[in-house]
Amino acid sequence: GDSVTQMEGPVTLSEEAFLTINCTYTATGYPSLFWYVQYPGEGLQLLLKATKADDKGSNKGFEATYRKETTSFHLEKGSVQVSDSAVYFCALRAGGTSYGKLTFGQGTILTVHP
Amino acid sequence: DTEVTQTPKHLVMGMTNKKSLKCEQHMGHRAMYWYKQKAKKPPELMFVYSYEKLSINESVPSRFSPECPNSSLLNLHLHALQPEDSALYLCASSQVRTTGRTGGYTFGSGTRLTVV
Repeated sequence: GDSVTQMEGPVTLSEEAFLTINCTYTATGYPSLFWYVQYPGEGLQLLLKATKADDKGSNKGFEATYRKETTSFHLEKGSVQVSDSAVYFCALRAGGTSYGKLTFGQGTILTVHP
Repeated sequence: DTEVTQTPKHLVMGMTNKKSLKCEQHMGHRAMYWYKQKAKKPPELMFVYSYEKLSINESVPSRFSPECPNSSLLNLHLHALQPEDSALYLCASSQVRTTGRTGGYTFGSGTRLTVV
């Protein structure tokens, strides 16, 4: 079945450091890929998405590129802020579907210190 | 309106109680979802409704009973829960038919349920 693997956390960075959170997936066909962020005590917010190979999703300085050859969707940000501290989830929706189950990775806790 | 609203935000219930969680959206989304999230874990899908009909039930125990009375509302009725059912319950919605520029899911802030 479909699965998502995220890098082990937690990740601790200083403000203005470069961030990479690795995400790889296993799926049949061409899934849609998502990054969600969850701040303490809140629900999930869509950070960015990509629906086909080589698409780059971007939002709030975060970027991720859909790499079919490496089945990856790594999240990057050039300069993190304290306000980026949260849990980040990589997720996929099976190819050939326009709605339905999101399969999530285990989540990566990011803490940014001043 | 680009939000999914969930009520209540917090709920404490006994194992013999009956309670309901409510979810509302006015984005015209015709797919709605219930997810359960335990602490430090990813959300787990429970139910999916499409056009107000149940399309996916992820083998959820019958003490959880979903209901979709109209295209904007989704309820989760709770009865005879166990302490291990304590979790954050998230509602989400999405379009059913999507294009390349759409397809995201909008999540509510959740109901934090404690079963005592």
